Amino acid sequence: EVQLVESGGGLVQPGGSLRLSCTASGFSLNTYWMTWVRQAPGKGLEWVANIKGDGSKISYVDSVEGRFTISRDNAKNSLYLQMNSLSAEDTAVYFCARDKNYCNSPVCYDVFDIWGQGAMVTVSS
Amino acid sequence: AIQMTQSPSPLSASVGDRVTITCRASQDIRNDLGWYQQRPGKAPKLLIYAASILEGGVPSRFSGSGSGTDFTLTISSLQPEDFATYYCLQDYKYPRTFGQGTKVEIK
Repeated sequence: EVQLVESGGGLVQPGGSLRLSCTASGFSLNTYWMTWVRQAPGKGLEWVANIKGDGSKISYVDSVEGRFTISRDNAKNSLYLQMNSLSAEDTAVYFCARDKNYCNSPVCYDVFDIWGQGAMVTVSS
Repeated sequence: AIQMTQSPSPLSASVGDRVTITCRASQDIRNDLGWYQQRPGKAPKLLIYAASILEGGVPSRFSGSGSGTDFTLTISSLQPEDFATYYCLQDYKYPRTFGQGTKVEIK
């Protein structure tokens, strides 16, 4: 079965750090862009970051730039999100998603076709 | 960042109704837009990408259209399992941005 499973969520104090993992099964991660999306309690979806299959291209939303680091280990079929200097505004469910990146030359489109179940991150003292 | 604005929000409808959700971008995004459905407590689910391409396995009652700044998601005949929140997402520029969501409620 093709699936993504997040882990590493939990309660952390303001200013603290946490690392989320997203492990793929049923497919090889190395050919896919991967993305993190978060959702604060009762709020909408927010795109956080993405990374190319070989790790050569990375982008972040402004609110996490310099604090969060997306990375991947294709040998372990895993994606990561290192989160530092956390604040209450980072409290959310964090989803990882596979991007099958449909291309109709010369344009390519994000296509988030597989999602994990989400990992809750709570930043509170 | 490109702002995505959805309307209406929320939307009240009955089973069998034809439902249309609109998403407007703050600038031209060609057809770089997807639609996602989210049920409470669940991960989002891909419905449509490149504005009008239906993802495999998604019922044909869902359709998408539009280009430039104005896009629509249409459900031709609302089914009980379609009561959920729908989000548009632009992938024209970084950072990617979602609309605020449209909750489809039972009338």
